[in-house]
Amino acid sequence: KAGVTQTPRYLIKTRGQQVTLSCSPISGHRSVSWYQQTPGQGLQFLFEYFSETQRNKGNFPGRFSGRQFSNSRSEMNVSTLELGDSALYLCASSPGQVANEQFFGPGTRLTVL
Amino acid sequence: AQSVTQPDIHITVSEGASLELRCNYSYGATPYLFWYVQSPGQGLQLLLKYFSGDTLVQGIKGFEAEFKRSQSSFNLRKPSVHWSDAAEYFCAVGASPNSGNTPLVFGKGTRLSVIA
Repeated sequence: KAGVTQTPRYLIKTRGQQVTLSCSPISGHRSVSWYQQTPGQGLQFLFEYFSETQRNKGNFPGRFSGRQFSNSRSEMNVSTLELGDSALYLCASSPGQVANEQFFGPGTRLTVL
Repeated sequence: AQSVTQPDIHITVSEGASLELRCNYSYGATPYLFWYVQSPGQGLQLLLKYFSGDTLVQGIKGFEAEFKRSQSSFNLRKPSVHWSDAAEYFCAVGASPNSGNTPLVFGKGTRLSVIA
């Protein structure tokens, strides 16, 4: 089985722009979670989707949004980018109803200039 | 709410020496516990997990972890470290299915350096 794939792997944007990141889960997995990883804050949970519905949301501003499609692929969007949004964005998929035992993709490295 | 503490930010061990990475969790119900490893520039790879049963769990790459409920700990061990084990290690706690679906909570990570 192919693993979790994320595109693009690297992005450079400037402040004020918006960005969309994509995640394709492992085939058959219906839960997709997104995390932001920075050296200072570590891994912070953004949101989790299951069957196209957002089930959980972390403590991030409304500039961060996401969605999931019927084929379980997910996208996250960040609008009005700030310098502090520079991070590694990780997507993880989970096979079951409960989003445990997550399988991670390689991440998208976002740099905001 | 769950929380995870990894007391050691950075550990350096000699190749061939034994390793123990500490993890303490806080959770009101029966936790699901995980250890992940992250190599530079990569995503996280699951090393092992504890759901129930035998409190000593075996994982990939020769790692094992022991769940101690009385100490709220889930320490990761390896008897003999290889240079390729140098990476960042994350402990995580999740809710059991009966407790509802809440996100995994990760510790801040422990960076492992291996010297010759």
